[in-house]
Amino acid sequence: NAGVTQTPKFQVLKTGQSMTLQCAQDMNHNSMYWYRQDPGMGLRLIYYSASEGTTDKGEVPNGYNVSRLNKREFSLRLESAAPSQTSVYFCASSSRDRGPDTQYFGPGTRLTVL
Amino acid sequence: GQQVMQIPQYQHVQEGEDFTTYCNSSTTLSNIQWYKQRPGGHPVFLIQLVKSGEVKKQKRLTFQFGEAKKNSSLHITATQTTDVGTYFCALLSGGSYIPTFGRGTSLIVHP
Repeated sequence: NAGVTQTPKFQVLKTGQSMTLQCAQDMNHNSMYWYRQDPGMGLRLIYYSASEGTTDKGEVPNGYNVSRLNKREFSLRLESAAPSQTSVYFCASSSRDRGPDTQYFGPGTRLTVL
Repeated sequence: GQQVMQIPQYQHVQEGEDFTTYCNSSTTLSNIQWYKQRPGGHPVFLIQLVKSGEVKKQKRLTFQFGEAKKNSSLHITATQTTDVGTYFCALLSGGSYIPTFGRGTSLIVHP
């Protein structure tokens, strides 16, 4: 099993460009998440999806959109990138079958917006 | 919203010394999780604590959940260079299944 995979690993954008970060998991998990990590700020939740077909805002959703394409895939879109969105983005998944469960993280996407 | 404070932000130790990171919540918790992130890597789950006063051990790592379920600690005995990384607590309260992460404690071990 690959676990949680993310593409791309690195990306450089210019201000105003758009892009989509892809995430997929092969653990048959119900819930998926997108976090951003900035130095000294820990992990902040952008959006999450409790199950296929549902998405909800997290702590820092502004400037982002998400799509839960199916049970395996959860994408994050930046419509008009800004320098403040320079960060490391992590996708995670959890089964949540019996309450709070372990979060499994992908390897991350390192994004720089110039 | 739930507030979480994790201290210290950084800790430098000599190899062989002990290390402790603390996590404090403004609200009573249902669960607390701990994760480790190696430099350049992604967070990896270490453990989950559920019961008041619970103590769990993983080799040289000891995790403790406070009696009031508002704080937790991670203690590493006799640090090694392989312990280098950032340790995060993740808090869960009420009926939420979505953890709130602390800002992490970065451990630097000098050989």
